[in-house]
Amino acid sequence: DIQMTQTPSSVSASVGDRVIITCRASQHIGAWVSWYQQEPGKAPRLLISAASTLQSGVPSRFSGSGSGTDFTLTITTLQPEDFATYYCQQCYHFPYTFGQGTRLEIK
Amino acid sequence: QVQLQESGPGLVKPSETLSLTCTVSGGSMGTDYWSWIRQAPGKGLEWIGNIHYSGATDGNPSLKSRVTIDVDRSRTQFSLEMTSLTAADTAMYYCAREVRGFDYNNGMDVWGQGTMVTVSS
Repeated sequence: DIQMTQTPSSVSASVGDRVIITCRASQHIGAWVSWYQQEPGKAPRLLISAASTLQSGVPSRFSGSGSGTDFTLTITTLQPEDFATYYCQQCYHFPYTFGQGTRLEIK
Repeated sequence: QVQLQESGPGLVKPSETLSLTCTVSGGSMGTDYWSWIRQAPGKGLEWIGNIHYSGATDGNPSLKSRVTIDVDRSRTQFSLEMTSLTAADTAMYYCAREVRGFDYNNGMDVWGQGTMVTVSS
């Protein structure tokens, strides 16, 4: 299976800050990465597909980049509603695998 | 707008079989893939498997021998059956739509709200 190593596992930040979450794949996976946001008690929400394609309705302060093995999710100008857990996921090869998650907390 | 709704028993005994259904409303099931994902309490996401409208399936080898995913086109539903349950299968189970083709993958863009399954005697 392809391992997705996500860092950091948790981060504290303030409203208005910029946060970068990193995901490293155990092998080259092109741009076959999606990013999800999960609020407590809710289902995940797709933010970004194909490493950098922002989903309709997702604020432009979210952006994704990377290819090969290293990927990043950047959130600029954090808003209160952004404090949640974020997951990367590879869809290059079955079985699909997720990173372990990054919990974004309010400082 | 496509919406998904999971249904099934909240409590299952160890060694028994879990059956969950995901009902698709607001759109067609054709051309897309339909997935099951689970999340143990306080843990991350685990992909279980998916099915195409044609009936073709892919699954997680760690679960594949216990899992069957099927589609009921007439009812616009797809289902998950998991056998030989243990406490380790206690989790929130989600269904989701995946939009992909031969050379693209647009991710799992629609999710159900999830259904909690507890395995306990």
